[in-house]
Amino acid sequence: DQQVKQNSPSLSVQEGRISILNCDYTNSMFDYFLWYKKYPAEGPTFLISISSIKDKNEDGRFTVFLNKSAKHLSLHIVPSQPGDSAVYFCAARATGSARQLTFGSGTQLTVLP
Amino acid sequence: DAGVIQSPRHEVTEMGQEVTLRCKPISGHDYLFWYRQTMMRGLELLIYFNNNVPIDDSGMPEDRFSAKMPNASFSTLKIQPSEPRDSAVYFCASSFSGLAKNIQYFGAGTRLSVL
Repeated sequence: DQQVKQNSPSLSVQEGRISILNCDYTNSMFDYFLWYKKYPAEGPTFLISISSIKDKNEDGRFTVFLNKSAKHLSLHIVPSQPGDSAVYFCAARATGSARQLTFGSGTQLTVLP
Repeated sequence: DAGVIQSPRHEVTEMGQEVTLRCKPISGHDYLFWYRQTMMRGLELLIYFNNNVPIDDSGMPEDRFSAKMPNASFSTLKIQPSEPRDSAVYFCASSFSGLAKNIQYFGAGTRLSVL
């Protein structure tokens, strides 16, 4: 039973446009969410996070939105650049679970020049 | 800081052989995680340690898998005997509880191929 779902395995976007990556979760105990980016032959690297007490967090070109009632979060990248082409993982932490994260299956983003 | 270091980067072995994957976490980090990445299941948590003590190994698929952390700077994941379905990329990650954010820092991974 996947508690964190990324239903789009891939997404292609033109350079300069907005990329929107989506993530749904089922566990109501999740209270902290993170996005990781992964390039080929490298490990995932932390990108941006959001606490469940907020509905938006912004860092430069990256913004994460959280809709708790819908159990949905999204990552917006504006403007998209070819260097953003990577696999993006959504992850979540449950209250009381120490440092354990549950990851989604990832979305491959391709930004076309 | 050198980051999380994993070795080897690539491992090719034959079915039935023992495989040992190694990880050196970031100095000062008190949590260590082992993950497996496959196309079908994405990133799965196998086991994690806190202060060298295994906390949750419910993600370890079978008794063929075992993990140890003899000290704060070293951990191993062993598969014995290995099977073709174990072929995947295995990641190690570490984290520091003193940080408010739940950020885990990943190594570059070990790509395991069992023939």
